[in-house]
Amino acid sequence: GAVVSQHPSRVICKSGTSVKIECRSLDFQATTMFWYRQFPKQSLMLMATSNEGSKATYEQGVEKDKFLINHASLTLSTLTVTSAHPEDSSFYICSASGTGVGQPQHFGDGTRLSIL
Amino acid sequence: KNEVEQSPQNLTAQEGEFITINCSYSVGISALHWLQQHPGGGIVSLFMLSSGKKKHGRLIATINIQEKHSSLHITASHPRDSAVYICAVRRGTSGSRLTFGEGTQLTVNP
Repeated sequence: GAVVSQHPSRVICKSGTSVKIECRSLDFQATTMFWYRQFPKQSLMLMATSNEGSKATYEQGVEKDKFLINHASLTLSTLTVTSAHPEDSSFYICSASGTGVGQPQHFGDGTRLSIL
Repeated sequence: KNEVEQSPQNLTAQEGEFITINCSYSVGISALHWLQQHPGGGIVSLFMLSSGKKKHGRLIATINIQEKHSSLHITASHPRDSAVYICAVRRGTSGSRLTFGEGTQLTVNP
């Protein structure tokens, strides 16, 4: 079945570091990918919608300059957390769906980001 | 009031019990997803429904579009079913965003 691969699965780094997270659709083309953030014991919070070949659409309250999204191809979207700080520590997860009618969304395994 | 509400929030069962998780939504939808999130965080899409009923192994999902309600049933529950189950609805086409329920934490004890 359709698979979404997300890397890395875990990152621990110092404050001020920029961290890039990749989300790949392995066997289907994804015009749209979604990036979520999840705090412990809470539901997924949509950060932005990533559209291939165009600028991402960010949700209210999400800093565009802080969370850079690039969707350069139909199979790859990246989220870069720039100059990360401890408050950016969280679980980040992406999802994607294929083009066409009735396509389900498939989720990556998530990235646990810890900023020291 | 959330657009998608799940009940119960927490559920503890004994191995072998029949389990039901409910989801109600207040908006028009094109599809409803049932998702499973394990402690490690990864999310698996169990079902995508737009009408009727679907079955996969011990899992059954139903949806009533008129009543804006869906249920996820687990028959002969097992400790490995312990996870968070999330209901999510889609209002538009395949590339549209999902709106999530708060999730149901299921614990199945041996």
